[in-house]
Amino acid sequence: GQQLNQSPQSMFIQEGEDVSMNCTSSSIFNTWLWYKQDPGEGPVLLIALYKAGELTSNGRLTAQFGITRKDSFLNISASIPSDVGIYFCAGPLPTGANNLFFGTGTRLTVIP
Amino acid sequence: GAVVSQHPSWVICKSGTSVKIECRSLDFQATTMFWYRQFPKQSLMLMATSNEGSKATYEQGVEKDKFLINHASLTLSTLTVTSAHPEDSSFYICSTPFPAGSGYGYTFGSGTRLTVV
Repeated sequence: GQQLNQSPQSMFIQEGEDVSMNCTSSSIFNTWLWYKQDPGEGPVLLIALYKAGELTSNGRLTAQFGITRKDSFLNISASIPSDVGIYFCAGPLPTGANNLFFGTGTRLTVIP
Repeated sequence: GAVVSQHPSWVICKSGTSVKIECRSLDFQATTMFWYRQFPKQSLMLMATSNEGSKATYEQGVEKDKFLINHASLTLSTLTVTSAHPEDSSFYICSTPFPAGSGYGYTFGSGTRLTVV
């Protein structure tokens, strides 16, 4: 079945460091979305990517849509304590279903 | 922006009882509502899709008689966990596509943590 594998699963970094995480798919996606989920909350959209090769920034966050359309990465620069949370990649399956399929998640801990 | 209000945010119930979770779209009409379940330290998994005025469609392995979904109006969708058991303890989240013309994306409720004791 469809899988969206994220790596790393978890990471512990010092405040101020840059962070990089990625998401790989077993099949092609036409849209990539990156979400952040705080404990006990629903996911919040960070960045949306619509075209292969697209590079998009949102403040300290930058994400890219891989050329093969089977991967995407998210970078966070100069991390701060409030960056703590779980980051998910997601996208609508190319089967035409309207729902989002979520990656396995990357749990980020920022040490002050 | 498009907001989905989800209630309750947490609930504790006894085994065998039923629990209703509500998701309301504020200031827009949600013709489709997706219901996800998230177990601790896991990702969000789609349970079912509800469309206003029609029967919900359930993902493989999700019991439709146990997880009753009602989407009787364009602003309210409900998920009722019937005869709850401890293994139903999870974080339930609803989601709906942004209104047309509001850009591409999905808005999520704030989630309901269900604990069955």
